[in-house]
Amino acid sequence: TQLLEQSPQFLSIQEGENLTVYCNSSSVFSSLQWYRQEPGEGPVLLVTVVTGGEVKKLKRLTFQFGDARKDSSLHITAAQPGDTGLYLCAGEDAGNNRKLIWGLGTSLAVNP
Amino acid sequence: GAVVSQHPSWVICKSGTSVKIECRSLDFQATTMFWYRQFPKQSLMLMATSNEGSKATYEQGVEKDKFLINHASLTLSTLTVTSAHPEDSSFYICSADLGTSGGNEQFFGPGTRLTVL
Repeated sequence: TQLLEQSPQFLSIQEGENLTVYCNSSSVFSSLQWYRQEPGEGPVLLVTVVTGGEVKKLKRLTFQFGDARKDSSLHITAAQPGDTGLYLCAGEDAGNNRKLIWGLGTSLAVNP
Repeated sequence: GAVVSQHPSWVICKSGTSVKIECRSLDFQATTMFWYRQFPKQSLMLMATSNEGSKATYEQGVEKDKFLINHASLTLSTLTVTSAHPEDSSFYICSADLGTSGGNEQFFGPGTRLTVL
């Protein structure tokens, strides 16, 4: 069974601080996605990483896929209150079923 | 592109009644849609995979007779919560898969808040 461990589960920081969220697994994923969700809304796709070692940047967000494609990280530089939300990582299930394996999520609060 | 709508956005019903939630892909065709349930500040829990023109595939522990799924067209999947009870109160979210081979990206609807009294 594929599992995706996400940490930390909760994070409360001050505006301007940096943070990193981790997703780790003992399984290899062919791709991994990061989503952000605000209360009362559906998740919004931020990025998909496919290649081992890949680094993608989205403004102040940096996403990295591990060389072995078993782990990923999301780093936010100079966090702002608008970054507050639930961040979810999801890996592509190894079975040919189009399902995603979801991390437990990181609830981020950025205080002004 | 890749917009998914969900209706209704919220519903309150009495215990014992049935509630239907619609999920539509507005600008693309989706042979595969997914239905999730989510509790506050928690991750998504996959309930079932909805396949156009065939029976849905339910996850372990999800009662298929209670959560009826119909994917009658390439742009519409419905979830019916039958004989709803207070413990069914939750945030239900659908997603649609673009069906591309370069990563199973899913695009989500805005969710439906169900409250069963």
